[in-house]
Amino acid sequence: GENVEQHPSTLSVQEGDSAVIKCTYSDSASNYFPWYKQELGKGPQLIIDIRSNVGEKKDQRIAVTLNKTAKHFSLHITETQPEDSAVYFCAARGRGYSTLTFGKGTMLLVSP
Amino acid sequence: KAGVTQTPRYLIKTRGQQVTLSCSPISGHRSVSWYQQTPGQGLQFLFEYFSETQRNKGNFPGRFSGRQFSNSRSEMNVSTLELGDSALYLCASRQGQGDEQYFGPGTRLTVT
Repeated sequence: GENVEQHPSTLSVQEGDSAVIKCTYSDSASNYFPWYKQELGKGPQLIIDIRSNVGEKKDQRIAVTLNKTAKHFSLHITETQPEDSAVYFCAARGRGYSTLTFGKGTMLLVSP
Repeated sequence: KAGVTQTPRYLIKTRGQQVTLSCSPISGHRSVSWYQQTPGQGLQFLFEYFSETQRNKGNFPGRFSGRQFSNSRSEMNVSTLELGDSALYLCASRQGQGDEQYFGPGTRLTVT
């Protein structure tokens, strides 16, 4: 089955800096890669996703890149703010009735 | 449109008891997935239902079961509770096979 590795497990940045979280996946058939943000006491919130026919996608301060050949994808957050502090999860999924396989998560702490 | 809702939000049970958790998906979504989230294991997939049929099942013992009703609402049951079942149980819904998946706030289950 699919295996998703996520790094780093914790990331501390200063407000205004950029943050990058990286994930690798094992199944070359995976074609959908979402990112979720989970704040304390809440369920994961979908913040951005990318499909295998696209190499990069951007939404305001958040961007995701995908390298299918290397089987890795990354989340980039620019101009970080304290409210970006949360746990971020990457995931991968194949076609049809395939399910999401999640990475172990990255705790991002943005200090003012 | 209302998001995914889960009831109850918090639950305390004793070892050996059983518990039923409920999930109402986003209106129009035909799929409901269940995940167990713990600090040590992260997000682990339990099962997924599409239009009342179980399409996928994770690697959990038979004590964990679920079902989906004709209105897409889903329930998850855990019998003979163990201390290790203490976790946040998350429900997620999606409209169709290739679509985005949205999570509810979760049910925090504590087994004493």
